[in-house]
Amino acid sequence: NAGVTQTPKFQVLKTGQSMTLQCAQDMNHNSMYWYRQDPGMGLRLIYYSASEGTTDKGEVPNGYNVSRLNKREFSLRLESAAPSQTSVYFCASSEFLAGGRNIQYFGAGTRLSVL
Amino acid sequence: EDKVVQSPLSLVVHEGDTVTLNCSYEVTNFRSLLWYKQEKKAPTFLFMLTSSGIEKKSGRLSSILDKKELFSILNITATQTGDSAIYLCARSRIIQGAQKLVFGQGTRLTINP
Repeated sequence: NAGVTQTPKFQVLKTGQSMTLQCAQDMNHNSMYWYRQDPGMGLRLIYYSASEGTTDKGEVPNGYNVSRLNKREFSLRLESAAPSQTSVYFCASSEFLAGGRNIQYFGAGTRLSVL
Repeated sequence: EDKVVQSPLSLVVHEGDTVTLNCSYEVTNFRSLLWYKQEKKAPTFLFMLTSSGIEKKSGRLSSILDKKELFSILNITATQTGDSAIYLCARSRIIQGAQKLVFGQGTRLTINP
């Protein structure tokens, strides 16, 4: 059981290049999320998808787009990368459990450098 | 402003010591407060607290939530080198079935042998 899988693990881009970060979960969760983590700032929510077919902006959506391809997959796209997007990106998924518990499970992250 | 603030930002102690990590937040209408442990890569879930009180994860880790005073504490007793990690707290709101988390900056805990 892989949980949440992110690809690639590392990526170096030049300013202005585009790329897509892939995320897939095998836990049959309805909700999926993309975060970025910068030194001293914890994790910040970029976009989320409450269920298949819906996406919404988080705290820091500028410069990103997302696609909820199906229930398993949620991708994050940088159309024109900027040095300010150098960060570690985490994907997560969650599902409501009995008793109202809702816990997010995270992938291993993608370390992105934009030169 | 919807902020979550953790303190201290960094802490170095010796193996066997007891540590207390703090998390304060500003909003009152939220669903729960969560603690995560982040070693090298993905944050892993430790606790979820939905009402004031104490929840124990294991014999050495415990957490308190005080909804009146808007803070949470993560306590680790008899620390081990394997406890070295970044500890993150986050407050949770549920929006259309999705869980929106606002994280604090994290506390980097180092346990020296």
